[in-house]
Amino acid sequence: DAGVTQSPTHLIKTRGQHVTLRCSPISGHKSVSWYQQVLGQGPQFIFQYYEKEERGRGNFPDRFSARQFPNYSSELNVNALLLGDSALYLCASSWYREANEKLFFGSGTQLSVL
Amino acid sequence: GEDVEQSLFLSVREGDSSVINCTYTDSSSTYLYWYKQEPGAGLQLLTYIFSNMDMKQDQRLTVLLNKKDKHLSLRIADTQTGDSAIYFCAESAASNYQLIWGAGTKLIIKP
Repeated sequence: DAGVTQSPTHLIKTRGQHVTLRCSPISGHKSVSWYQQVLGQGPQFIFQYYEKEERGRGNFPDRFSARQFPNYSSELNVNALLLGDSALYLCASSWYREANEKLFFGSGTQLSVL
Repeated sequence: GEDVEQSLFLSVREGDSSVINCTYTDSSSTYLYWYKQEPGAGLQLLTYIFSNMDMKQDQRLTVLLNKKDKHLSLRIADTQTGDSAIYFCAESAASNYQLIWGAGTKLIIKP
């Protein structure tokens, strides 16, 4: 079975541009979470979606948005890119949104903003 | 606010035990987790412990939780070269189930 897949794996953008990152969860998983991991730090929670609805949002500006589709895949959008948005963006999926659930992570999208 | 702290590096000899430590601040955390991250790979859940437990063992892994001191540790017995990775401690925020992560401990294995 395929794990969590993310695309693209690497991306280079310039300041002010817009980016869309994509995530396909494990088949049957209904919850998708997005995390930002800056080099040398732990992941920071951005969003959680469950059954196509936003169920949690971290402390990120409105430039960050996301959505979940009927097939449970998800997109993360970032507008007006800043140099500080350079990071590894991780997607995780799980069956539901319970506290003790295993989160299965993709390998991430490495975003570089120049 | 919530915060999770870990030391940045740990160096051990192959075959020895590794002990990675973590402190957290949110006393209402329900679950605490250990994740492993290898270069170019996503995060892999190693183990987790419920906040009303003080120990959990899973093969070579032993998790100890001192809730009074808000201290969590991960012991890896008989450390192998394949254990080289960054290990993250994370706690679940009681209010919304999002994970709060430490900065990670890089485990270096000496031959």
